[in-house]
Amino acid sequence: QQPVQSPQAVILREGEDAVINCSSSKALYSVHWYRQKHGEAPVFLMILLKGGEQKGHEKISASFNEKKQQSSLYLTASQLSYSGTYFCAKAAGNKLTFGGGTRVLVKP
Amino acid sequence: NAGVTQTPKFQVLKTGQSMTLQCAQDMNHEYMSWYRQDPGMGLRLIHYSVGAGITDQGEVPNGYNVSRSTTEDFPLRLLSAAPSQTSVYFCASSYSSRGAGSPLHFGNGTRLTVT
Repeated sequence: QQPVQSPQAVILREGEDAVINCSSSKALYSVHWYRQKHGEAPVFLMILLKGGEQKGHEKISASFNEKKQQSSLYLTASQLSYSGTYFCAKAAGNKLTFGGGTRVLVKP
Repeated sequence: NAGVTQTPKFQVLKTGQSMTLQCAQDMNHEYMSWYRQDPGMGLRLIHYSVGAGITDQGEVPNGYNVSRSTTEDFPLRLLSAAPSQTSVYFCASSYSSRGAGSPLHFGNGTRLTVT
């Protein structure tokens, strides 16, 4: 089953923060995060493999709460380059199932 | 180092025609997969492979065939194209045969239109 992302879209001013949530109705064992810019392929950001694990990529970080079956992506002090669509994906065996995406627009 | 290469970049088919989307990777990755992405939506897994000679179905396999005769190549065949198969197709690979545990590297996509 597809993980659910919220919000579906967010508009930020440069320098502002945002949180993107990813939740699953079934157990989460690991979570991937990807960013896709318009007309391009998705690009890997990070994997969280353990409950409670936090990772960071530039000023983008993520947390993973196994018990709550959710992961959150934190965009801190957003930059124009952060604009794009962010996808979480949950791993189950050899299958990676993507959420519907969160569109992020960072304005000057 | 080319990474994941998909051809063609664009393709227009008529209903009922067949074609093969090519995918090749030069990173010696064990795991390869095909996704389709419809406008404004996420990626849906079509088929995947954990090594040469081993393939399995994803979420939306109907109307598509795959084979994996070499580590490098993972072609996707459309048997009889339908307008519902109009989409952008991405091939992705990762180094672990447990594909879900390592980062996916995506090709640049093939934009397919079926009229």
